[in-house]
Amino acid sequence: KQEVTQIPAALSVPEGENLVLNCSFTDSAIYNLQWFRQDPGKGLTSLLLIQSSQREQTSGRLNASLDKSSGRSTLYIAASQPGDSATYLCAVPFYNQGGKLIFGQGTELSVKP
Amino acid sequence: DVKVTQSSRYLVKRTGEKVFLECVQDMDHENMFWYRQDPGLGLRLIYFSYDVKMKEKGDIPEGYSVSREKKERFSLILESASTNQTSMYLCASSSIGTVNTEAFFGQGTRLTVV
Repeated sequence: KQEVTQIPAALSVPEGENLVLNCSFTDSAIYNLQWFRQDPGKGLTSLLLIQSSQREQTSGRLNASLDKSSGRSTLYIAASQPGDSATYLCAVPFYNQGGKLIFGQGTELSVKP
Repeated sequence: DVKVTQSSRYLVKRTGEKVFLECVQDMDHENMFWYRQDPGLGLRLIYFSYDVKMKEKGDIPEGYSVSREKKERFSLILESASTNQTSMYLCASSSIGTVNTEAFFGQGTRLTVV
């Protein structure tokens, strides 16, 4: 059974700091891994999709890495800004159940001015 | 720009009412999902659908039903709303599973049952 874990549950950093969010999964037979952002009271916004054959995927100040063999993904945020404050979730699809996404619990990020 | 639209951002309903939550996607996706999100419990799958008129139970289907009469629309039905169904409801869609499959979510519906 696939389980997804995110550490830490919460993170507070000063503006301008580079930071890393961690995601681990127990079953390495994945098609891809997706990172989302969620603002309070809102839906999820897709940030990055990293395919199982890829090692990295970049979008602006965000960089996601994937190491299938160790069951880990990281989301690197460069030069953090207060507007980056949100909850970040990672998810992997479970294709034996129609592509159901299995989510981690999320990391709540606060970037202080 | 891809879009998943949920019919309401906020709803307040009374205990025992029948409640309909609507979700529409414009990406011609085969898969559609309903999740609920509660503090400390994360996102939990209620139902999903992989084709018109097809549905599968998720992790917590009790007290809910769904309808998918058209490919773009997936409805969640609370047959008789109860206070323990107060939650944030999130709809998502995705294409058939490949390495490129990306899921997109709606803006969420905050349902309060009083």
